[in-house]
Amino acid sequence: GENVEQHPSTLSVQEGDSAVIKCTYSDSASNYFPWYKQELGKRPQLIIDIRSNVGEKKDQRIAVTLNKTAKHFSLHITETQPEDSAVYFCAASRGGGGSNYKLTFGKGTLLTVNP
Amino acid sequence: DAGVIQSPRHEVTEMGQEVTLRCKPISGHDYLFWYRQTMMRGLELLIYFNNNVPIDDSGMPEDRFSAKMPNASFSTLKIQPSEPRDSAVYFCASSVAGNTQYFGPGTRLTVL
Repeated sequence: GENVEQHPSTLSVQEGDSAVIKCTYSDSASNYFPWYKQELGKRPQLIIDIRSNVGEKKDQRIAVTLNKTAKHFSLHITETQPEDSAVYFCAASRGGGGSNYKLTFGKGTLLTVNP
Repeated sequence: DAGVIQSPRHEVTEMGQEVTLRCKPISGHDYLFWYRQTMMRGLELLIYFNNNVPIDDSGMPEDRFSAKMPNASFSTLKIQPSEPRDSAVYFCASSVAGNTQYFGPGTRLTVL
């Protein structure tokens, strides 16, 4: 089955700096890669996702890049703010119906933005 | 839209008791997922349904766990008998055609 590795497990940055979180996956058939943000005691919430037909997607201060050849994808947050502090999870799935919609999650990255 | 609804939000029970967690997906969503989250194991998919039919239950840890979806607006996850190692936050999520999954608020289960 799919295996998703996420690094780093913790990341501390100063407000205004950029943060980068990286994930690798094992299943070359995976084609859907969402990122979730989970604040303490809250539910995971989708912040951005990317499909394998594009290499990069951007939404304001957040961007995701995908390298299918190397089987890795990354989350980039620019101009970080204290409210960006949370645990971030990457995930991967094949899409396409049936059991292919199963999302495999990375172990998460605790991001702390220091004011 | 009310979002995914889960109940109870917190459950404290004693070892050996039966626990039932409930989920109401977002109206119109045809996929429903049950996850378990712990510090040690992270976010794990237990089982998921498509149009009320279980598709993949390979993540269900053992026979003590069972899940049902009798109709499009309701699902249950049952643990019988419960054990302390079942303590975790259980999330339900729903989606349309396997796209963006929307998570419920979770049920924090503590088994003493």
